[in-house]
Formats: sequence, structure tokens, C-alpha cells
Amino acid sequence: KNQVEQSPQSLIILEGKNCTLQCNYTVSPFSNLRWYKQDTGRGPVSLTIMTFSENTKSNGRYTATLDADTKQSSLHITASQLSDSASYICVVRGRTASKLTFGTGTRLQVTL
Amino acid sequence: DTGVSQDPRHKITKRGQNVTFRCDPISEHNRLYWYRQTLGQGPEFLTYFQNEAQLEKSRLLSDRFSAERPKGSFSTLEIQRTEQGDSAMYLCASSELPGLAGGPGETQYFGPGTRLLVL
Repeated sequence: KNQVEQSPQSLIILEGKNCTLQCNYTVSPFSNLRWYKQDTGRGPVSLTIMTFSENTKSNGRYTATLDADTKQSSLHITASQLSDSASYICVVRGRTASKLTFGTGTRLQVTL
Repeated sequence: DTGVSQDPRHKITKRGQNVTFRCDPISEHNRLYWYRQTLGQGPEFLTYFQNEAQLEKSRLLSDRFSAERPKGSFSTLEIQRTEQGDSAMYLCASSELPGLAGGPGETQYFGPGTRLLVL
């Protein structure tokens, strides 16, 4: 069972709308959690990184939240744009670098 | 473009052949990572280097896989006797010190990947 579960698996929204992606993890011990954006056929690009003590972090229209007690994180995208169409991957780091566990991603499509 | 380059971008080979991929990290970056990503899945850690030293290897890295970073700059990943199950995107990422590998102070910059298809 993957230790990082993301939902929904895919999502289609209209341009200009907001959306929230979910990430639940069981990786323990926990060091940090990051969200990546991956365009089709490209490598992932980091959006946010959060440690145990951080509850929220923003990067432009992207806002990530973290509840380390319930082991849940969310990525909120406001005023979506066509260029937001991509896969969004949640990554949790455990004790060592080899314990970077990637979720399977949420495939977001923004349409007109 | 993150500054990390990978070559080739695509590779088609027959089962049993050997293949070698190259990754050129951002020039001042000390750490270099290799990941494998199959269709519809997130990347999986394979191995990482700090300068020329290979510090961690995943159990996914069977004895058919070998990675090198001889001068602490570019890295190669070789797969011997390829199998159809090796078909995947192979991603390279680099980062700079200080900070723990994979720690909150570290941002990994990914290359575009090499997509391997084994027939």
C-alpha cells in the first residue's frame, strides 16, 4: 500500500475556478512534505515545502496546508488558469533521502 | 527549463540490450538523484550521489542497474540486459548543499527525463 495517497485521481475544472487537492500519508517518522507540479512529459517542479511545524505555505495562487497530527495535506489553487493543467504530486520525506515517497498524483485539467 | 539536462530524451531498445542514460545537473549542485516513474505513478527513488559518492541505493536498483558520477559532475545510469519491466521514465534531479538530503532546505530540480521503452 502506498504510504502517500492522493485524491482525487483526476479533476476537470473551468478556468477561473478554485480547486483543492488532497494528500494523506502514513510515512513515519515525518520530516517534510512538498507539492510538485509535473507537466506532461516533463520533470516535476517544486511548488511548496513544509516541515512538521508549518501549517500553511503559499506560492502565488498555490496554497498548501499541513496537519501533521492527522497526516493530511491539501493544495488549494485559486483562480485557475489553463497553464495549471498538469499532474500535482505530493511527496513526503521520512528519515532519509531514500524515504522520499511520492504519491501517484492528481491529474488536473483546466478547461474554457 | 530547470537547467538539468538528460540525454537521450527517448530510447527504444530490445529486451536483453544494455542502455546508458546521462544526466547533467546544474553546475554548482552537489547532489544528484535518479528516480524511475512508470505511467500513472509518482517517481520512485533509485539512488543519490553527493559529489562523486553514491550515498544511498534503493532496493529497486537491482544488480542490472549501475549508476556512476565519476567526477562529481554528470552522472550515468546503465541498465544491463534490459527487461520489458524496465520501461519507464528515468528522471534525474540535482540540488545544492547545505541541508539534509531531501530536507526542507533542499529543492530538487528535475530534468525532463529519459523515456525508455523495452520491446
